[in-house]
Amino acid sequence: EPEVTQTPSHQVTQMGQEVILRCVPISNHLYFYWYRQILGQKVEFLVSFYNNEISEKSEIFDDQFSVERPDGSNFTLKIRSTKLEDSAMYFCASNQRRPNTEAFFGQGTRLTVV
Amino acid sequence: QQPVQSPQAVILREGEDAVINCSSSKALYSVHWYRQKHGEAPVFLMILLKGGEQKGHEKISASFNEKKQQSSLYLTASQLSYSGTYFCGTERGDYKLSFGAGTTVTVRA
Repeated sequence: EPEVTQTPSHQVTQMGQEVILRCVPISNHLYFYWYRQILGQKVEFLVSFYNNEISEKSEIFDDQFSVERPDGSNFTLKIRSTKLEDSAMYFCASNQRRPNTEAFFGQGTRLTVV
Repeated sequence: QQPVQSPQAVILREGEDAVINCSSSKALYSVHWYRQKHGEAPVFLMILLKGGEQKGHEKISASFNEKKQQSSLYLTASQLSYSGTYFCGTERGDYKLSFGAGTTVTVRA
């Protein structure tokens, strides 16, 4: 069964460092998303991406964040200068051709900023 | 704007029923329901589109009242495997799936 894969599963970084979280969405999906979940809290929308550009972003997704689809298969989230409050589980998701279809989530990357 | 879920938590014994509600102040195109086990990714349960349809997954069903912008998830004859956090996700046709805060369901033997 096709699945969304994320790497790494866990990353520890020092405050102020740049991190790149990687995702490989399901191959025939066209809509891609990043979500964040701080421990014990709800899943929060960060950004959606379609046709090689950002479709929608939340207020969380400030200038420190960027997304890219560099090679047609990977979908990356970059945090330029990490802060302690960026520590969370980051989920990538994708869905097929248009909204109103099931979103498939990856297993997440646990980011710990120390 | 995120949908509002209630209750925040519910504890059930096996075989009991529960209802989880999700409401939005904005017009919705669809409502998704996901279940997340501790330490895992959210897993899709069902999607309800405009039209007020009701869908089911095992003994879990849901309804969508388009006029009231509300959806309810019904856990019937709950099983231990139903434990987890249930999130509703709402779409307004803007490519953004927004989640509620979640309802933690604990089913005890």
